[in-house]
Amino acid sequence: AQTVTQSQPEMSVQEAETVTLSCTYDTSESDYYLFWYKQPPSRQMILVIRQEAYKQQNATENRFSVNFQKAAKSFSLKISDSQLGDAAMYFCAYMRKTSGSRLTFGEGTQLTVNP
Amino acid sequence: DAGVIQSPRHEVTEMGQEVTLRCKPISGHNSLFWYRQTMMRGLELLIYFNNNVPIDDSGMPEDRFSAKMPNASFSTLKIQPSEPRDSAVYFCASSPPALATQYFGPGTRLLVL
Repeated sequence: AQTVTQSQPEMSVQEAETVTLSCTYDTSESDYYLFWYKQPPSRQMILVIRQEAYKQQNATENRFSVNFQKAAKSFSLKISDSQLGDAAMYFCAYMRKTSGSRLTFGEGTQLTVNP
Repeated sequence: DAGVIQSPRHEVTEMGQEVTLRCKPISGHNSLFWYRQTMMRGLELLIYFNNNVPIDDSGMPEDRFSAKMPNASFSTLKIQPSEPRDSAVYFCASSPPALATQYFGPGTRLLVL
């Protein structure tokens, strides 16, 4: 079974600084998807970024980028120029590359942004 | 375009009562997922449908839980009878054909007293 591990329960960053959230996963599949979701206090789950395993290029969405290391099964999220609105719980998630597959989530990392 | 719609947003009920949670997926999406979020177990999949057909219900805790998708624009998750340990946030998510990304609704916060 696939597992996703986020080893940092809490992280903090100063406004305008850069922070990296870690995620590792375990799978025997060769092709799959990885995601980062953000959950602010409103509890809404918001997609931050998505990576396809067969693509070697790291995904980027504005201030958010990932460092995807397939051999190491590592998928970290970098947030640049952190803003107060980035404060949230961040979940790393894995999905097999099959239509309609389930998401397997990590435990989450609570990010605090200090003014 | 409206996102995934869930109702009610909050539900408080007493143990033993029936609870029905509702979800309207994004138009054109053909996969629908029900997740539950608790402090103890995190986010876990309960059941998902593809083209209105249940594909994987292995995450449904027990017979007290049931889910239906009578058409492409509506799904329900029912708990009967409810128990305090069912207290959680229940999310519905949908995804379009041939695209892996799942889009989540705002969730229903359920409290069973």
